[in-house]
Amino acid sequence: DAGITQSPRHKVTETGTPVTLRCHQTENHRYMYWYRQDPGHGLRLIHYSYGVKDTDKGEVSDGYSVSRSKTEDFLLTLESATSSQTSVYFCAISERKGGGTEAFFGQGTRLTVV
Amino acid sequence: AQSVSQHNHHVILSEAASLELGCNYSYGGTVNLFWYVQYPGQHLQLLLKYFSGDPLVKGIKGFEAEFIKSKFSFNLRKPSVQWSDTAEYFCAVADRYNTDKLIFGTGTRLQVFP
Repeated sequence: DAGITQSPRHKVTETGTPVTLRCHQTENHRYMYWYRQDPGHGLRLIHYSYGVKDTDKGEVSDGYSVSRSKTEDFLLTLESATSSQTSVYFCAISERKGGGTEAFFGQGTRLTVV
Repeated sequence: AQSVSQHNHHVILSEAASLELGCNYSYGGTVNLFWYVQYPGQHLQLLLKYFSGDPLVKGIKGFEAEFIKSKFSFNLRKPSVQWSDTAEYFCAVADRYNTDKLIFGTGTRLQVFP
């Protein structure tokens, strides 16, 4: 398995509180991603990063911000958590390999907003 | 924008039955295609990928997929499923040249009964 660690693995938080999820990689891959997984929606891209301090929005970025100050760490922040952000969050990293890009996923963080 | 459609949301099979899961994508450019599997309570793992060359690709655990460019399809197949194949299966597409973002389908839940 690729060296990806997500923390925390489980979190319950109250509506309106800030929450930060961390993704740490030991592979030195350039690209890092945050996805959320919800029943009936598959995985949807929240934000991604293509280098230190280089980030861009995905398809469901509203209510989320990210930061990448080091190659190995990619942080996802919910500034003011809402119940609609209850989900399982997956971090992924990718590298170019054999003419294409292959992504590897972390174990996921289950976030419940009450 | 790219999109991925998985038409089978829930498939129920008996062991030894054959499997085919549909995946269609909408994008006019050159793409990389993937199938990922998620076993209950686990993270996503790569089953197989298509970058270029032979449109019939073989992956792990006896799975294969065929890229049919004219149909924008990348269907997943397995001749004889096992109970251990019970999982959720995700098709994904990435633009090969302009971005490394993976866009996922909504997933197909496969249940295999002994």
